[in-house]
Amino acid sequence: QLQLQESGPGLVKPSETLSLTCNVSTGSISSSRYYWGWIRQPPGKGLEWIGSIFYSGITYYNPSLKSRVTISVDTSKNHFSLKLSSVTAADTAVYYCARVNYGGQYFDFWGQGSLVPVSS
Amino acid sequence: SYELTQPPSVSVSPGQTASITCSGDKLGDKYASWYQQKPGQSPVLVMYQDNKRPSEIPDRFSGSNSGDTATLIISGTQSTDEADYYCQAWDSTTVLFGGGTKLTVL
Repeated sequence: QLQLQESGPGLVKPSETLSLTCNVSTGSISSSRYYWGWIRQPPGKGLEWIGSIFYSGITYYNPSLKSRVTISVDTSKNHFSLKLSSVTAADTAVYYCARVNYGGQYFDFWGQGSLVPVSS
Repeated sequence: SYELTQPPSVSVSPGQTASITCSGDKLGDKYASWYQQKPGQSPVLVMYQDNKRPSEIPDRFSGSNSGDTATLIISGTQSTDEADYYCQAWDSTTVLFGGGTKLTVL
């Protein structure tokens, strides 16, 4: 079964860049049936979509975060990555990576999530 | 901008039917999906393309989507169904989530 695993630093300082990688195992990231996304959830709050990427590199971003977000894909390593710049305490959240079914537009597999506090 | 609206909470007695709604302008023209999230866990897909269930989801879960409202229905609700539920849809190239509904089984 497909597995997604987020990895990255456990703490980020305000004004710095948050970086996370999602490793995809037991499945190829280069399938035309799927693309890949990042979603976050601040403590005690709801889900917020950050952005999505196709294996070809085509990206879609949440308009409210677009100026600070970069999502990239490395098919040779079967992983995709998130960078969020100029972070503040409001960016403290659990960050999830997930697979998106291209035809049905739904997230069918999720990683376990990575809590990233933003604090000095 | 497009928004999806869910009631913050729904309560149901064990064995009864729970209905969780998700409202958005002409939502019925889009695909709606639903996710279940229990405390400390990642979201799990429970309904996609309005009314399709992943194979591992019990058949007491069903869905509909028409007009401005998508609905997740849980028949014969069990205590294990107590969780937060989120609806999700796409608007153009943007993914939207509803604010979430806390389902309490009491």
